[in-house]
Amino acid sequence: DAGVIQSPRHEVTEMGQEVTLRCKPISGHDYLFWYRQTMMRGLELLIYFNNNVPIDDSGMPEDRFSAKMPNASFSTLKIQPSEPRDSAVYFCASSLVRADTGELFFGEGSRLTVL
Amino acid sequence: QQPVQSPQAVILREGEDAVINCSSSKALYSVHWYRQKHGEAPVFLMILLKGGEQKGHEKISASFNEKKQQSSLYLTASQLSYSGTYFCGTGGRALTFGSGTRLQVQP
Repeated sequence: DAGVIQSPRHEVTEMGQEVTLRCKPISGHDYLFWYRQTMMRGLELLIYFNNNVPIDDSGMPEDRFSAKMPNASFSTLKIQPSEPRDSAVYFCASSLVRADTGELFFGEGSRLTVL
Repeated sequence: QQPVQSPQAVILREGEDAVINCSSSKALYSVHWYRQKHGEAPVFLMILLKGGEQKGHEKISASFNEKKQQSSLYLTASQLSYSGTYFCGTGGRALTFGSGTRLQVQP
């Protein structure tokens, strides 16, 4: 069974450029999360979706960040324009609604470097 | 609010035990524990749903005290493979993670 798939694994870009990160959740999972990890701030929840609908985007740092989930098998996180402080590892995770688990399955992450 | 983890870092010899604590200023209904190895994604260890309930994973177990709004992770007879950063997560479906505890097990 394929896990959560993220692309690209690594992205190096220059300040001001648009960055799009992609995520394919585990088939059948109905929750999708975007997290950002940095040394200074740890693992931060940016936004999450339930059945493709954004539920809480209060963690999105500013208007430069946007996320979409057009269908159950695909989500994007876009940064436009990018800034050096956006450099981080961005993780996508998915989960299934079950009272006894709620386990998050993480993708391998997308390491973003903004020069 | 982000749960608070302690200690921030631990260095152990193989076979030694360790305890990692997680506390919250808000009422807790569940606590998740994850382990992240260097350069990899966090991996689920266990979830605790009831106060006082203990769960186990290999020689790793955990407890959850609702009244004290705390959870502790117990690593017994540590192995080299236990090295990594341990995170607790709270908040129900959308987890807020603590800052992590870096565990290094040496031969």
